[in-house]
Amino acid sequence: KNEVEQSPQNLTAQEGEFITINCSYSVGISALHWLQQHPGGGIVSLFMLSSGKKKHGRLIATINIQEKHSSLHITASHPRDSAVYICAVGGGSQGNLIFGKGTKLSVKP
Amino acid sequence: DARVTQTPRHKVTEMGQEVTMRCQPILGHNTVFWYRQTMMQGLELLAYFRNRAPLDDSGMPKDRFSAEMPDATLATLKIQPSEPRDSAVYFCASGFLGDGKFIGTQYFGPGTRLLVL
Repeated sequence: KNEVEQSPQNLTAQEGEFITINCSYSVGISALHWLQQHPGGGIVSLFMLSSGKKKHGRLIATINIQEKHSSLHITASHPRDSAVYICAVGGGSQGNLIFGKGTKLSVKP
Repeated sequence: DARVTQTPRHKVTEMGQEVTMRCQPILGHNTVFWYRQTMMQGLELLAYFRNRAPLDDSGMPKDRFSAEMPDATLATLKIQPSEPRDSAVYFCASGFLGDGKFIGTQYFGPGTRLLVL
């Protein structure tokens, strides 16, 4: 069993829809990251959170430490949101990350 | 606009050849990570450095891979000899870690796409 599980693996949505991507982990962590990888391959860090909720524009990330679960929400989705979203957890003081397999999101106009 | 740079962006080589990938972290960052991404395995950590000292390279095949930071502005990842199974995208990322257990945001380079024939 992977230490970081994401669902769904693939997601297709219509422009404007509300999107949720889930991440569950089985290890103790000190922080969880959401990353975005565009079709061109570049990786951008969207959020790093250790508790509660963070919001940036149309993106919202939440984490429940007790349940070992995080969600990434996209409101009013747009085709430019099409990308692979990767959840990664960090468990120690040194900074190493364990990655989920990613969720491929495609937003149709 | 500070960013992590990686060279080369693409590399095609033949099995058995040496490959060297370079990374320039963001100025002021004290931690550098090397990751490998393949279709089968996704993103995997290979090695990372804090203040130029290697902290963990357990993700690297030791017999052929080596990672170094000759100075604070350059990190290198070498494969010798290269094999077809090394074909992947290699990402470098940098960040700043303090003394506590808090993990900082990592900034990723554009990656080096390696193909070993």
